[in-house]
Amino acid sequence: EVQLQQSGAELVKPGASVKLSCKTSGYTFSNYYMSWLKQMPGQNIEWIGNIYGGNGGTGYNQKFKGKATLTVDKSSSTAYMDLSSLTSEDSAVYFCARGDDWYFDFWGPGTMVTVSS
Amino acid sequence: DTVLTQSPALAVSPGERVTISCRASESVSTLMHWYQQKPGQQPTLLIYLASNLESGVPARFSGSGSGTDFTLTIDPVEADDTATYYCQQSWNDPWTFGGGTKLELK
Repeated sequence: EVQLQQSGAELVKPGASVKLSCKTSGYTFSNYYMSWLKQMPGQNIEWIGNIYGGNGGTGYNQKFKGKATLTVDKSSSTAYMDLSSLTSEDSAVYFCARGDDWYFDFWGPGTMVTVSS
Repeated sequence: DTVLTQSPALAVSPGERVTISCRASESVSTLMHWYQQKPGQQPTLLIYLASNLESGVPARFSGSGSGTDFTLTIDPVEADDTATYYCQQSWNDPWTFGGGTKLELK
């Protein structure tokens, strides 16, 4: 059974950084892409970027370049996303989702990030 | 970016047939996919590549379309289908989602 387990909710101060994790099980991590997506309360879903589990190759939505950095640890089948220089506009739920080439077939439960002083 | 436009909300009675539309601002070929999201949960994949039913999804769900106009059909609608439905395209970079259609049951 494919499972994506995301790290817990974060409360961070403006200007700080945060690192979110997505630990996977139930499939061969190195054979798939992992995407990260952002959903602000009651709003649309935005694709941030993806990373290939096999070689760490990345692709980013231009909007999130400089904001998000995606990495993987193949030894633990875990994907990470660093978010930097946080502002209130970064307060959202962040999902990791396994990518099957063009779409997202398994999603994590999401991590809520709140940016507040 | 490719803009995907969906109707904000629909209300139908159980047992009826409902169609949810998604219009793209430019062609996305057949690289259109549909997701269901219930409150407080993550989205789940329903339809991929415009018309392919994801494993485990009831056959009441179906998808059609190509180019710029796509449709998700639920027939018949059941009470458990109350949710927000999103379309997503992966033909143009960056991949984008529609604003979602909130389906309510009367």
